[in-house]
Amino acid sequence: ETGVTQTPRHLVMGMTNKKSLKCEQHLGHNAMYWYKQSAKKPLELMFVYSLEERVENNSVPSRFSPECPNSSHLFLHLHTLQPEDSALYLCASSQDGSGPAGTEAFFGQGTRLTVV
Amino acid sequence: KQEVTQIPAALSVPEGENLVLNCSFTDSAIYNLQWFRQDPGKGLTSLLLIQSSQREQTSGRLNASLDKSSGRSTLYIAASQPGDSATYLCAVVEVSSGSARQLTFGSGTQLTVLP
Repeated sequence: ETGVTQTPRHLVMGMTNKKSLKCEQHLGHNAMYWYKQSAKKPLELMFVYSLEERVENNSVPSRFSPECPNSSHLFLHLHTLQPEDSALYLCASSQDGSGPAGTEAFFGQGTRLTVV
Repeated sequence: KQEVTQIPAALSVPEGENLVLNCSFTDSAIYNLQWFRQDPGKGLTSLLLIQSSQREQTSGRLNASLDKSSGRSTLYIAASQPGDSATYLCAVVEVSSGSARQLTFGSGTQLTVLP
């Protein structure tokens, strides 16, 4: 079992649906992230939670709504999405803090989202 | 704004060859640089993490170097195998990111090792 688990692995939803992506990390990390990977584009940071507090919202449309109920779980709630939101959504975790050292980031397997 | 560039975008080599993947970044104020591997349709697997104070890291047949002052990193793969075929991504964590260590990614190098 990997340290970061995402469910579901695949999701097809209509533009009027509401769905949620789930991420769980078993590494004892204190920071979690959502990234979006679209075809032919670099990974884009969407949201960052550090110590369960959102510290970054990278100009993401409000139809994406993150939730971090505790340091091990992260959700991405989706509603009224557009076809251009179809992408691979990746969750990551790391042990962050105020010190200069950076720690390794670990990623889940991703959720392949298709909006029809 | 930090920009990360990876060259080449795609590379095809015969099995057994040694190869080098390149990564450059525009802002040298980084905490660390990380190399990842991504298989088609899958998540990212961390390969190597180099702290800003380090010059290189090694893991098996992989060796990554970092020249922070020139904004460059290389990933060296020795004796390549077909199983090494994947997309290789480099990413940096900037000092300006504060306590939340978000990564800025390059577009990746798609490697194919031919048997």
